[in-house]
Amino acid sequence: DSGVTQTPKHLITATGQRVTLRCSPRSGDLSVYWYQQSLDQGLQFLIQYYNGEERAKGNILERFSAQQFPDLHSELNLSSLELGDSALYFCASSVASLPDTQYFGPGTRLTVL
Amino acid sequence: QKEVEQDPGPLSVPEGAIVSLNCTYSNSAFQYFMWYRQYSRKGPELLMYTYSSGNKEDGRFTAQVDKSSKYISLFIRDSQPSDSATYLCAMKDAGNMLTFGGGTRLMVKP
Repeated sequence: DSGVTQTPKHLITATGQRVTLRCSPRSGDLSVYWYQQSLDQGLQFLIQYYNGEERAKGNILERFSAQQFPDLHSELNLSSLELGDSALYFCASSVASLPDTQYFGPGTRLTVL
Repeated sequence: QKEVEQDPGPLSVPEGAIVSLNCTYSNSAFQYFMWYRQYSRKGPELLMYTYSSGNKEDGRFTAQVDKSSKYISLFIRDSQPSDSATYLCAMKDAGNMLTFGGGTRLMVKP
């Protein structure tokens, strides 16, 4: 158990809908990272927050957004969902602002029908 | 062409074998190199972290980086069935973004 929690574990929704994925980092970690893992694209970095502020942005679609709250938990919002958004979404956390030593959560499996 | 290439496998070996997993990369700015292990239906777990060229050993695991060839390796000695997982290489420059390989699926048979 990495200490990073993600909810929900599974999410099934329809195209065009909007969902919110939630992540609680390890106690004491200030950075939260979001990743998408699909069979064809592998594990791709989406976005990082450090102590409430956006720190780095990867291949995140405009339909996706994230935020980190004062208690350091983070939410990833996915809107206007498409079939191709079906994937595993991982959250990771680290103490510092760099991802060199980060701990991954168990993931949320999103299925868009 | 992807920035980080990794043979997807699967790689099947008998218990006790030495396993060699490899990644090649094209971005010469990458300085930090990591190996993650991912069990089925779980999140990746950091195994090894190295900076620059050379070898690093941790128990049965050895990570090797050859920056001149843009090639990194992970060796697993005395492989066990519990090592069966997908192994992901990851790397970055001085910034915040990790770039992952596609992963190699390893199966260690008793």
